[in-house]
Amino acid sequence: QSVLTQPPSESGTPGQRVTISCSGGSSNIGSNYVHWYQELPGAAPKLLIYRNAQRPSGVPDRFSGSKSGTSASLAISGLRSEDEADYYCATWDDSLSSYVFGTGTKVTVL
Amino acid sequence: DVPLVESGGGSVQPGGSLRLSCAASGFTFSSYYMSWVRQAPGKGLEWVANMNQDGSETYYVDSVKGRFTISRDNAMSSLFLQMNNLRAEDTAVYYCTRDGAAPFDYWGQGTLVTVSS
Repeated sequence: QSVLTQPPSESGTPGQRVTISCSGGSSNIGSNYVHWYQELPGAAPKLLIYRNAQRPSGVPDRFSGSKSGTSASLAISGLRSEDEADYYCATWDDSLSSYVFGTGTKVTVL
Repeated sequence: DVPLVESGGGSVQPGGSLRLSCAASGFTFSSYYMSWVRQAPGKGLEWVANMNQDGSETYYVDSVKGRFTISRDNAMSSLFLQMNNLRAEDTAVYYCTRDGAAPFDYWGQGTLVTVSS
């Protein structure tokens, strides 16, 4: 059972903005960077956002991240059909001395 | 361009062993922490273990401590995961990942491990 909680699913129509939440605690999100990963169907996961809000080269600026206290969020603006994927947050947990992933959120473009 | 290639997966009976390998290219392997991450069929991602650049530090998720051993050969740009006393719940796709500017900034294509009698 993951220590990081995400909603199982989110959906939107093309062009809309979708936000995915990631809720944790003081030993993980509260004291460490949060990173986000996108898993397209049939593909290996890919780094999408790192250190709360940084985008790797090649990631569109439609994707943005933020963190406040013990929660983090990933926002997808201008939703496109190719954004249909599973999204995971991750961070280091000081109490567990391990990396932890969120439960994952499936984004559907209606 | 996928600079990480896993191998060694397969089917094994409960209690058996497997050794996964990951061949890295396209970057200076010895300069990076490396991790293994797994994904059970239809489930989410789970970090398994990581190792620092020279192999002197290792970390494991509680569920594999005492059973799995991560190692590396910097001369061969290779990462390994020795898995002993395998259980059904270890069935998953195992990904080799690099820890760069962020943890898991590059991923391999994964190798499937199936533990079943």
